[in-house]
Amino acid sequence: AIQMTQSPSSLSASVGDIVTITCRASQGIRNDLGWYQQHPGKAPKLLIHTASSLQSGVPSRFSGSGSGTDFTLTISSLQPEDFATYYCLQDYSYPRTFGGGTKVEIK
Amino acid sequence: QVQLAESGGALVTPGGSLRLSCAASGFIFIDYYMNWIRQAPGKGLEWVAYISSSGNVIQYADSVKGRFTISRDNAKNSLYLDMNSLRAEDTAVYYCARDRQVYTSSQFDFWGKGTLVTVSS
Repeated sequence: AIQMTQSPSSLSASVGDIVTITCRASQGIRNDLGWYQQHPGKAPKLLIHTASSLQSGVPSRFSGSGSGTDFTLTISSLQPEDFATYYCLQDYSYPRTFGGGTKVEIK
Repeated sequence: QVQLAESGGALVTPGGSLRLSCAASGFIFIDYYMNWIRQAPGKGLEWVAYISSSGNVIQYADSVKGRFTISRDNAKNSLYLDMNSLRAEDTAVYYCARDRQVYTSSQFDFWGKGTLVTVSS
């Protein structure tokens, strides 16, 4: 199974900050990667698919980049509603595997 | 609008069985691949199983292979997960989720709210 290593596991940031989260795959996965946001007690929400494509309805402050094994999610100007946990997911092969998550907390 | 609604979660004793259901509406169910994903309390997300639109292709996580069975009834717009030989480590919120694109595997664009399965004596 492809392992997805996400970092950092948590971070503290302020409103307006630029936030960057990374995900590394244990083998090349082309651009078959997505990013999800999850608030406590809620279902995850798809933000980015195919590594860099913004899902419909998602604010443009979210962006994704990368290909192969290294991927990045960037939030250009952190908003209060962005404090949540973020996960990457590879859809290159089965079993699908998620990263361990990054909790974005208020500084 | 697309809606997915899970049901069937319960408290069950180790070794027991349970069937989860997911009722889909607002889209052409037969066109989409479907998945189950779970999240143990305070933990991250774990993909559990996938079924193709016709039901002829199925994949499982190693952690549930041989114990869980995914199925669908396209006439009823419903997805199911039959869980047998349940263990304490199966305790989680179980989500059903839809693949984003028709007739192909991709990311999950719609999720249900989840149903809680607790395995405990």
